[in-house]
Formats: sequence, C-alpha cells, structure tokens
Amino acid sequence: QSALTQPPSASGSLGQSVTISCTGTSSDVGGYNYVSWYQQHPGKAPKLVIYEVTKRPSGVPDRFSGSKSGNTASLTVSGLQAEDEADYHCSSHAGSSNVFGTGTKVTVL
Amino acid sequence: EVQLLESGGGLVQPGGSLRLSCAASGFTFSNYAMAWVRQAPGKGLEWVSSIASGDGSTYYADSVRGRFTISRDNPRNTLYLQVNSLRVEDTALYYCVKGIRGAYGDWGQGTLVTVSS
Repeated sequence: QSALTQPPSASGSLGQSVTISCTGTSSDVGGYNYVSWYQQHPGKAPKLVIYEVTKRPSGVPDRFSGSKSGNTASLTVSGLQAEDEADYHCSSHAGSSNVFGTGTKVTVL
Repeated sequence: EVQLLESGGGLVQPGGSLRLSCAASGFTFSNYAMAWVRQAPGKGLEWVSSIASGDGSTYYADSVRGRFTISRDNPRNTLYLQVNSLRVEDTALYYCVKGIRGAYGDWGQGTLVTVSS
C-alpha cells in the first residue's frame, strides 16, 4: 500500500493548461480503471473531479479531463482559472484496498 | 442533498481509544459503500478503511489493521470507526466519505483526532 507518486507542484498561466501525473504499479493504477482525482482548496474537504479514469461528475467543468497509460494516470486542467489553484490528489483502487497519491499543489500564475 | 456529519474526535493520549461517528442523510445509506479517509496536518490523503453496502465486508489499510474497526448501522444511517491503541502518527483529520463507482463522491467536513501526551 505505497502512495502513488505525484509531482509536489505544478503551475500554469491563466488560460493555459497544466497536466499532473500519478504513477503507481500494475497492482493499482495499471490494474484497474478506477482512478479518481480530487481537488482540495485550503481548509476545505476534497471534491471529486474525475472518476473511472476519464469521467466527470455532474457540475465539474469540462476543462478537467483524465487519462491513463500503463501505470500512470494524468489529470489535465485546460483554460486555467484562478479558482483552479488548489491541491490535487489522485487515487486508485488496489484490490482489497485503495491508495491515494502524494498530492500536487497547482499554482495559477 | 447529501450530508455527512462526523463527530467523536478529540485529544487522546497514546494508547487511548475513540469512537468516530458519521451521520449520513440525503441518500439511501444502506445502498452505498462507505469509507474513512484521513489527512495528517499539512500532508496528503490516506485511505483508512472501507465497508461494503451489501454484505458489509470490511477492508483496512495495513497501518491501522488490528487497531481500527469500521462498522455501519443502516437503520440509523450512521457509519462508525472505533480507533484503539492510538499512536502519535494517527493524528489527523478523519473524513467520512460516500463511495461511488470506485471513487469518493461526497465528503464530510472531518473530525480531528489528536494523539499526544
């Protein structure tokens, strides 16, 4: 149950795009199509923005998109807006458990 | 509207115990898997435990197995986490979460557990 690996930080200018990676193993990310992403603003509870690798919950802007290749999943935020500045956490099903990533702080320049 | 309201956190000495509760409303509680996720101060999220909707099967992170027990009371729409033999490293904000399609679609505001002498 080792944490998935995410870059500590990422940044992009207003209106540009940023992509965050989430690397696991064949026992988690690579083995299941149950990767999810969460946005967390300071002092707030996390919010689900992507589930089942590519799907967006109702109300999440289509600027948020997910993908997966092998043992690495990615979250792309296009058309960056000021409110997208937050921490982002990935997560994956891992058989009889679940594992989260190390978290990435996204800064909007 | 889904609401998850945690309670039961507090300051406890190493080796102590607490019972965390999560009162759920706004959905058919018995139909959903539920879980606890924690976040240590300034750190990332950590999955702690899950409980299935149907047969109530339970699952635990290695770091808490044997010390924590998850349970649910469907008629009372309440999720529990009994936390025993607490360690300093268990200090965290504990979130109650509602499972949906391999993800956690709804989160409570959390209850803070502080383990310190």
